Amino acid sequence: EVQLLESGGGLVQPGGSLRLSCAASGFTFSSYAMSWVRQAPGKGPEWVSAISGSGGFTYYADSVKGRITISRDNSKNTLFLEMNSLRAEDTAVYFCAKERVARSGPRFYFDYWGQGTLVTVSS
Amino acid sequence: QSALTQPPSVSGSPGQSVTISCTGTSSDVGSYNRVSWYQQPPGTAPRLMIYDVTYRPSGVPDRFSGSKSGNTASLTISGLQPEDEADYYCSSYTTSSTLFGGGTKLTVL
Repeated sequence: EVQLLESGGGLVQPGGSLRLSCAASGFTFSSYAMSWVRQAPGKGPEWVSAISGSGGFTYYADSVKGRITISRDNSKNTLFLEMNSLRAEDTAVYFCAKERVARSGPRFYFDYWGQGTLVTVSS
Repeated sequence: QSALTQPPSVSGSPGQSVTISCTGTSSDVGSYNRVSWYQQPPGTAPRLMIYDVTYRPSGVPDRFSGSKSGNTASLTISGLQPEDEADYYCSSYTTSSTLFGGGTKLTVL
């Protein structure tokens, strides 16, 4: 059974930093591109970042480029999101999401999602 | 890039059909056959219902179907059932990223 479990969310002041983790199980982690998708309260999802299965290719939304870094440790089946210079508009539930197809660049079709971790940016 | 445009709400009675539209631009929906739809009941993560405009992942009932014309994609749900009540989001590929719609709340009367 595929499972994705996010952690690391919390309350952070504007300008602060946070590192999110997503522990994956139930599939060959290194074969799949992964993404982070966030959803502000009452809003639609917003794709944030993606990384290829090998970790060699990364992709970012314009709204976070330069402030966020995605990475993965395939030996530990874990996805990360390093967030810096956080703003109020970054407040959201952050989901990690698995691509539907293996051994492919991101096509942005997510067949499994974690339960999400809440990031609140406020003073 | 702006979010894709969806109607805020639609409704229908059990057994009826409803269609949810998703309007983008020539840079996203209009340029790629890479539109997907997600269902999200309250308090849960989104569930992939349609990908590549018309394809259903295994386990998704064939009551759900997708289509596209120009810059507008559509999700049709036929034979509405109470468990279909949820928020629905479209998504479209655009250069090295994906855009989501603002969401449509489906109410089954």
